[in-house]
Amino acid sequence: QVQLVQSGAEVKKPGASVKVSCKASGYTFTTYYIHWVRQAPGQGLEWMGTINPSDGSANYAQNFQGRVIMTRDTSTSTVYMEVSSLRSEDTAVYYCGRDRPRYDYHFDCWGQGTLVTVSS
Amino acid sequence: QSALTQPRSVSGSPGQSVTISCTGTSSDVAGYNYVSWYQQHPGKAPKLMIYDVSKRPSGVPDRFSGSRSGNTASLTISGLQAEDEADYYCCSYAGRYTYVFGTGTKVTVL
Repeated sequence: QVQLVQSGAEVKKPGASVKVSCKASGYTFTTYYIHWVRQAPGQGLEWMGTINPSDGSANYAQNFQGRVIMTRDTSTSTVYMEVSSLRSEDTAVYYCGRDRPRYDYHFDCWGQGTLVTVSS
Repeated sequence: QSALTQPRSVSGSPGQSVTISCTGTSSDVAGYNYVSWYQQHPGKAPKLMIYDVSKRPSGVPDRFSGSRSGNTASLTISGLQAEDEADYYCCSYAGRYTYVFGTGTKVTVL
């Protein structure tokens, strides 16, 4: 079945970087875009950006440009999201989800979420 | 891109209907037929409930329905059940492979 499985929780110090992974299975990896969505404690969902696994091109929300990099490894069907210069406000659960541009403009499958805690 | 506006909370008794609004702009909700709704229980990942404004994925009960008028989309839950108590988020495609989410609504079953 279609699955997105994310890496485990992380604890980082302010100023450090974190890299979260999202491994896809059950479908052709290159036919769906992967998106990242952030949810701070007690807050709503915030779209961060997307990557096209087929060619590696990425598009970031304005709030995250310059501090977030999304990459992929087609050999393992895995997408990575790295956030640099972490600050306490980056403490959140990070979710990956997929869509299929030109066909589907919604997220039909989500990862289980990865909690990133930024604390000194 | 500003978040879409949702009421903070709505409530209803079992069997009643509740409607959640989601207000955007001509650049998102009114500009594309790609509004979706997600249900999120505490500590869980979001779950797709409605897509393309009013379509239901298989497995989603037909008591969930979606609609749109101008720049406001709506999710209606008819015949409210205890398990419907959750947070609900709208989401709209906003062009150039970008999305914007709503502020979220907590549904309480009294």
